[in-house]
Amino acid sequence: EVRLVESGGGLVQPGGSLRLSCAASGFTFSKYWMHWVRQAPGKGLEWVANINQDGTDKYYVDSVKGRFTISRDNAKNSLFLQMDSLRADDTAVYYCARAASASLDYWGQGTLVTVSS
Amino acid sequence: QSVLTQPPSVSAAPGQKVTISCSGTSSNIGNDYVSWYQQLPGTAPKLVIYENNKRPSGIPDRFSGSKSGTSATLGITGLQTGDEADYYCGTSDSSLRARVFGGGTKLTVL
Repeated sequence: EVRLVESGGGLVQPGGSLRLSCAASGFTFSKYWMHWVRQAPGKGLEWVANINQDGTDKYYVDSVKGRFTISRDNAKNSLFLQMDSLRADDTAVYYCARAASASLDYWGQGTLVTVSS
Repeated sequence: QSVLTQPPSVSAAPGQKVTISCSGTSSNIGNDYVSWYQQLPGTAPKLVIYENNKRPSGIPDRFSGSKSGTSATLGITGLQTGDEADYYCGTSDSSLRARVFGGGTKLTVL
């Protein structure tokens, strides 16, 4: 069974940092692109970033470029999102998702990030 | 404002059929496959259609998808109260070099 479990969310002050993790199991993690997608309270889905199988290709939505860094550790079946210089509008539930067949076929349950003073 | 355009809401009675539209451009829908996601209240999104019209294992054939040019459509027949959810279309955008979603459509089964 494919399973994605996010962790690392919480309350952080504006300008602060957080590192999200996503533990993957039930599939060969190193064979898939992986994504982070977020959802602000009461809002729709917003794609944040993705990374290729060996971590050499990374793409970001414009609003997080230079502040967020996506990475992965294939030996530990883990995906990460380092978030720096956090702003109030980064407040959201952050999901990790696996990419397959031009879609995001499995999603984690999400972790809530709240940026507030 | 989302790159892909969906109606904010649709509604229909149990047992009826509903369609949800998703409009884009030549750099996104016109250039790649479309997928659809169902988000039940308080839960994570779930893939219901991929590659325009294919259903993942476990998704009933009441769900269908189609694409024409720069638009796509999700269809749900035999509506059930359990289908009440937010539905999102998604694809990639070659100009933005990003994955993009529609703003979401809230389905109400009256």
